[in-house]
Amino acid sequence: DAGVTQSPTHLIKTRGQQVTLRCSPKSGHDTVSWYQQALGQGPQFIFQYYEEEERQRGNFPDRFSGHQFPNYSSELNVNALLLGDSALYLCASSPDGGGRTSPLHFGNGTRLTVT
Amino acid sequence: GNSVTQMEGPVTLSEEAFLTINCTYTATGYPSLFWYVQYPGEGLQLLLKATKADDKGSNKGFEATYRKETTSFHLEKGSVQVSDSAVYFCALRISSGSARQLTFGSGTQLTVLP
Repeated sequence: DAGVTQSPTHLIKTRGQQVTLRCSPKSGHDTVSWYQQALGQGPQFIFQYYEEEERQRGNFPDRFSGHQFPNYSSELNVNALLLGDSALYLCASSPDGGGRTSPLHFGNGTRLTVT
Repeated sequence: GNSVTQMEGPVTLSEEAFLTINCTYTATGYPSLFWYVQYPGEGLQLLLKATKADDKGSNKGFEATYRKETTSFHLEKGSVQVSDSAVYFCALRISSGSARQLTFGSGTQLTVLP
């Protein structure tokens, strides 16, 4: 049973470019969340998708957008990249709509470097 | 708002030493509490959780008790191993209305020396 898979594992982009990160949730999970983890920091919540809609959003600008597909997989898009967007981007999935006690399973992340 | 404060690291211990990593929280609702562990180059793995006051979560020799009166969820292990070297994150989650995200502490780097 595959867990949460993310692609690519590493990515280098230039300031001003756009990037798309991908996530396939664990089998049986219907909710996908994205987190940004800067070096030496805890992950920060970006947004959560359920039933192909953004259900909740953290304190991130509109340059960060996402999508969820009918098979529950998800994409994170970041436009007009800034140096400060360099981080590890983590995808997490959960079952049953992601309630308070639903376990969150994390992927290994995509390391984005903006130069 | 919601926040988690963790003991600052790094923490360096000898093998078989006793480990405590302090975690306190502030929450606007009734949270579930979690400890996650991150090994080098990997994502986060759930170590243990507790969903209500006085619950004790445990896994792989690690324990933490949900203390509502002190708003704490300290992580403990009686005898650490070199393989426990990792970054440990305390986190909370409230599911009321639309609030479903995890709020993390800043992490505590643990190094265990043989």
